[in-house]
Amino acid sequence: NAGVTQTPKFRVLKTGQSMTLLCAQDMNHEYMYWYRQDPGMGLRLIHYSVGEGTTAKGEVPDGYNVSRLKKQNFLLGLESAAPSQTSVYFCASRRRGTDNEQFFGPGTRLTVL
Amino acid sequence: EDQVTQSPEALRLQEGESSSLNCSYTVSGLRGLFWYRQDPGKGPEFLFTLYSAGEEKEKERLKATLTKKESFLHITAPKPEDSATYLCAVGTGNNRLAFGKGNQVVVIP
Repeated sequence: NAGVTQTPKFRVLKTGQSMTLLCAQDMNHEYMYWYRQDPGMGLRLIHYSVGEGTTAKGEVPDGYNVSRLKKQNFLLGLESAAPSQTSVYFCASRRRGTDNEQFFGPGTRLTVL
Repeated sequence: EDQVTQSPEALRLQEGESSSLNCSYTVSGLRGLFWYRQDPGKGPEFLFTLYSAGEEKEKERLKATLTKKESFLHITAPKPEDSATYLCAVGTGNNRLAFGKGNQVVVIP
């Protein structure tokens, strides 16, 4: 089991460029999440999904879009990158059930110039 | 609004010097309190889930406890490999976690 994987690991963008971050999990988890982590801010939820074909907004959704076309994949898109989106992005997944823990991927470090 | 506050923000310990990390929370309907460990450049790694006041869980030198308003992560006789950031999170009623900002722990040999 690879667990949760994220692609790419690092990326540098110019302001206004677009990109997609890919998260994949092989644990057959129903729920998937995208977070960003900034110094002094902790982990903040961007968007999440409770099942294939469903998405919902988290705490900081502006400037991001997501899609969950397949159960095992959760894509995070930036249509027009801004320097404020420079951050480390983490994907997580968990089984359905109220109290189950989330499993995290290794992260993607994104720099927007 | 769900809130999680961790203290102290940073802690330097001598090897073998036991200490405790605090996580205080305000949440409407707790769905578990979670502790994670995060090493630099890596994703958070799950440690414990606590569900009800009075519950305790242990793993090697770590012991987590829970009251109605806070949780403690006790580190007993720490070693340098226990150096990490420890994250506390509370499960909320809408399938989400609310995270604190973390406790950065450095254990000096």
